[in-house]
Amino acid sequence: EVQLVESGGGLVQPGRSLRISCAASGFSFDDYAMHWVRQVPGKGLEWVSGINWNSGNIGYADSVKGRFTISRDNAKNSLYLQMKGLRAEDMAMYYCIKDVSNNPYVFEIWGQGTMVIVSS
Amino acid sequence: SSELTQDPAVSVALGQTVRITCQGDSLRSYYATWYQQKPGQAPVLVVYDRNVRPSWIPDRFSGSSSGNTASLTITGAQAEDEADYYCNSRDRSGNHVFGTGTKVSVL
Repeated sequence: EVQLVESGGGLVQPGRSLRISCAASGFSFDDYAMHWVRQVPGKGLEWVSGINWNSGNIGYADSVKGRFTISRDNAKNSLYLQMKGLRAEDMAMYYCIKDVSNNPYVFEIWGQGTMVIVSS
Repeated sequence: SSELTQDPAVSVALGQTVRITCQGDSLRSYYATWYQQKPGQAPVLVVYDRNVRPSWIPDRFSGSSSGNTASLTITGAQAEDEADYYCNSRDRSGNHVFGTGTKVSVL
């Protein structure tokens, strides 16, 4: 069974940094692209970033470009999102997602999310 | 702001058919993907590549597309289909973009 377990969320002050993680299991992690999508409670979905199987193809939403960095460690079956210069508008549930393909394409399997709260 | 527009809410009688639409210029170039989200849960993939269903989605869900509009149809809606539905495609930069979402109520 495919499992994606996010961790690392929590309360952080504006302007500070936070790294969230996603532990993947139940599939061959290094065969698939991965993504982060976020959602403000009660609002819609926003794609944040995606990374292909070998980290050779990475994309970011304009809203986070230059502040967030996606990475993966295929040896550890883990996906990461380093967030710097956090703003109030970054406060959201962050979902880790497995793609159907080795390059960014479709959000197939979603984790349960980790909540990031940006507040002083 | 989203480049994919959806009706905010639609309702359907139990067992009837409902179509959820998604409009955007990018849909002329890219397939729409559809996601279902129930309260308190993570989204679930429903349809991709215009009309491909994952194994966990019943065949009452189907996708279609014409011009700048993609549609998700539920034929014989069930109470458990009550949820928010989001379309997804690409923007002018090739980045993923979600629609505004449609709340489906089953009466």
